[in-house]
Amino acid sequence: NAGVTQTPKFQVLKTGQSMTLQCAQDMNHNSMYWYRQDPGMGLRLIYYSASEGTTDKGEVPNGYNVSRLNKREFSLRLESAAPSQTSVYFCASSQHPLGRSGEQFFGPGTRLTVL
Amino acid sequence: TQLLEQSPQFLSIQEGENLTVYCNSSSVFSSLQWYRQEPGEGPVLLVTVVTGGEVKKLKRLTFQFGDARKDSSLHITAAQPGDTGLYLCAGDMRFGAGTRLTVKP
Repeated sequence: NAGVTQTPKFQVLKTGQSMTLQCAQDMNHNSMYWYRQDPGMGLRLIYYSASEGTTDKGEVPNGYNVSRLNKREFSLRLESAAPSQTSVYFCASSQHPLGRSGEQFFGPGTRLTVL
Repeated sequence: TQLLEQSPQFLSIQEGENLTVYCNSSSVFSSLQWYRQEPGEGPVLLVTVVTGGEVKKLKRLTFQFGDARKDSSLHITAAQPGDTGLYLCAGDMRFGAGTRLTVKP
């Protein structure tokens, strides 16, 4: 099992360009998440999908859109990239929507730089 | 303002020393998780604590959940260089900023 995979691993964009970050999990998990990690701030939730067909905003959703393509895949789109979106992006999955157990499995991250 | 405050932010110790890091909040959590993250990788779950006052041991690591379920601590006994990393606490999809631990040989 590969667990949670993310593509690309690195990306450099110019301000105003668009791109989609891809995430897939092979653990048959119901819930998937997108976080960004910035120095000194920990991980902040951008969007999550509690189950296939549903998506909800997290703490910092502005400037992003998501698509839960199927049970395995959850993509994050930047329509018009800004330098403030320079960050490391992590996708995660969990068996159930976060509640009592709270356990998430993370991908290796995508390092995005917006010039 | 971080919902989950972790302290210290940085910690550098010698191999063999003991240490404790803290995760504090004014909010009550149904559960708290501790993750360890190495450079260039995603966080990896160490433990989940659920019950107030709960103590869990994972080899040399001891995790405690506060009675009021607002805080937690991680104690490492006889730290080793392999313990080096960023330790993150999390609850309800919120993460603390982490404690960056360096254990020198």
